[in-house]
Amino acid sequence: GESVGLHLPTLSVQEGDNSIINCAYSNSASDYFIWYKQESGKGPQFIIDIRSNMDKRQGQRVTVLLNKTVKHLSLQIAATQPGDSAVYFCAENIALKGQNFVFGPGTRLSVLP
Amino acid sequence: NAGVMQNPRHLVRRRGQEARLRCSPMKGHSHVYWYRQLPEEGLKFMVYLQKENIIDESGMPKERFSAEFPKEGPSILRIQQVVRGDSAAYFCASSQGANEKLFFGSGTQLSVL
Repeated sequence: GESVGLHLPTLSVQEGDNSIINCAYSNSASDYFIWYKQESGKGPQFIIDIRSNMDKRQGQRVTVLLNKTVKHLSLQIAATQPGDSAVYFCAENIALKGQNFVFGPGTRLSVLP
Repeated sequence: NAGVMQNPRHLVRRRGQEARLRCSPMKGHSHVYWYRQLPEEGLKFMVYLQKENIIDESGMPKERFSAEFPKEGPSILRIQQVVRGDSAAYFCASSQGANEKLFFGSGTQLSVL
C-alpha cells in the first residue's frame, strides 16, 4: 500500500507484482518529462522519458503514461524485483524557464519478499 | 566512455571555510546543472550553465554561492563561508543540449562541522 512518511511517500509492493508510481507536475507548458531512479548513496539514474506529443512510452519492464489534461505522469514497473527498491523521481522540463528540470518530491518503492 | 564525474565524493569543512565542488560532464556535453539534496528529500535546482555562461541561477542563493563552467576544465560550485545548513548532497548533471535528458554524477556529500 501507499503511505506518507516523514518526508517521502512510500509504496510497498510484493515481489512479482506490478508497481505504479504517480507524479503530479506543475506547469502546463512543460513539454518533456523524465523518470529517475535513485538508490541509497548514489546519483539519480535515467529510466525512461516522454515528450508531450505522446501519451505513452514503453521500455524494458517500464511504461510511462502522460495525461496532460490533469497534468499527471505515472511510471509502471512490471514484475517488480528487489533491485527495483529505490526512490523514484519525476522531472519536468519547463521550457519557459531556460530549460532547467524541476524534480518532484519522490516516492520510495519498497519491494517485499 | 566515462559518465559525469564529481569530486570529491565527500568533503568536510568547518564553519567559515570555503567548499569547492567539481564536476566534469560527460564527453560531448556542454550543459551542466547543479542540484542540492537533503536526506529523504527531492532534488532542488540550483544553477544551469553552458560553457562560459550562466543560463539560469534562480535556485542558487545570492550570497556565498557561485558557479562557473569555464571553456577548459570542470564546472565548479563554490560555497564561501560555509554554515551548517549547507550540509547536503550536491549533484551535478550534464546534457548534450537544452531540453535533453540529464545524466547525473554520484554527488558530493558536504558536511559542515
